[in-house]
Amino acid sequence: NAGVMQNPRHLVRRRGQEARLRCSPMKGHSHVYWYRQLPEEGLKFMVYLQKENIIDESGMPKERFSAEFPKEGPSILRIQQVVRGDSAAYFCASSPPKGLSTGELFFGEGSRLTVL
Amino acid sequence: KQEVTQIPAALSVPEGENLVLNCSFTDSAIYNLQWFRQDPGKGLTSLLLIQSSQREQTSGRLNASLDKSSGRSTLYIAASQPGDSATYLCAHGSGNTGKLIFGQGTTLQVKP
Repeated sequence: NAGVMQNPRHLVRRRGQEARLRCSPMKGHSHVYWYRQLPEEGLKFMVYLQKENIIDESGMPKERFSAEFPKEGPSILRIQQVVRGDSAAYFCASSPPKGLSTGELFFGEGSRLTVL
Repeated sequence: KQEVTQIPAALSVPEGENLVLNCSFTDSAIYNLQWFRQDPGKGLTSLLLIQSSQREQTSGRLNASLDKSSGRSTLYIAASQPGDSATYLCAHGSGNTGKLIFGQGTTLQVKP
């Protein structure tokens, strides 16, 4: 049973380019979460999605950031017009449907974005 | 503002020592508390999950306790080994939403 899969593991972008990070949840999990870990800071919640729905995006920056979890395929975190301050590790986590969930999250290995 | 504080920020011990990592939180209505391990450049590995109705959980050499009234959790590692060297993070959920509030972590080094 594969864990949470994230790709790319490492991504380098120049200022102004777009970054797309992908996350496939664990088999049987229908809830996806994105967290960001800035250098020398703790992990911060960004967004919580279910299939085709954004449930909570209270941690998302107001501009340039968007997330989706389509009916088919992985969840995608998209960052437009990247700036150096976007350099961070972006982690995806997943959990089972609510009726089966203890609240425990399972994390991927992360995608490390470097903006030059 | 909900906060999670972990003390100490860094810890270095000789192999074989028993040690305690501390986590305090300001939210008295936590849903659960989860301890993770993070190796450099890697993702998070879940170690222990304590529901708000529980007082402790054990897995092998690890034991985590939860005291909601005082807003504290501790992670006890028995007979530490060099392979335990990593950053340990605690996080709590305020509801069954997967929205976790993380501490800054304690970076542990166990010297052979």
